[in-house]
Amino acid sequence: EDKVVQSPLSLVVHEGDTVTLNCSYEVTNFRSLLWYKQEKKAPTFLFMLTSSGIEKKSGRLSSILDKKELFSILNITATQTGDSAVYLCAVETQGGSEKLVFGKGTKLTVNP
Amino acid sequence: EPEVTQTPSHQVTQMGQEVILRCVPISNHLYFYWYRQILGQKVEFLVSFYNNEISEKSEIFDDQFSVERPDGSNFTLKIRSTKLEDSAMYFCASFRDRDNSPLHFGNGTRLTVT
Repeated sequence: EDKVVQSPLSLVVHEGDTVTLNCSYEVTNFRSLLWYKQEKKAPTFLFMLTSSGIEKKSGRLSSILDKKELFSILNITATQTGDSAVYLCAVETQGGSEKLVFGKGTKLTVNP
Repeated sequence: EPEVTQTPSHQVTQMGQEVILRCVPISNHLYFYWYRQILGQKVEFLVSFYNNEISEKSEIFDDQFSVERPDGSNFTLKIRSTKLEDSAMYFCASFRDRDNSPLHFGNGTRLTVT
């Protein structure tokens, strides 16, 4: 069974801290790994990673994939209260409908 | 930026009633999905739809569920006879093509079955 495991499940930090969120996976037909941010409703897309070792960056957020060790990390530097959200890791499988298998998410709370 | 639009945002229904959740995917997208998220749990795949037919469905998507794209723009999820355990947030999602195109989600419909 395809599985995506995120850690930690929740994290409380102070503004300005740097955080690292982890995602490990076991899937039979890997296509890509995606990170989403979920505040109140819809998951909003952050990154899509398909190749090992290539860091993707967007402002204070960055992410990298290790396809040998089957994990990815999402880094957020200089956190702000607006970063408070649930961060979802999902793996896209191929060979059918390219569906996403989600982890449970990491709930990040950034306190002022 | 174009968005996936879902209506209604919240639907309350009694057990045994039929509900239809509606979605308007982004206009040039070709692949359509329904996912659900029970409160406090992970987002789960329900069904994918391409070229006017279901391409894959999960174990959750039993005979009580159906999907349709009746008019080329709307994409609907019907639950024929709702159960208490169908209470969840239902997300519609779409993407354009299979190459490096991320899935875009709508804001969801919160379904409450009483």
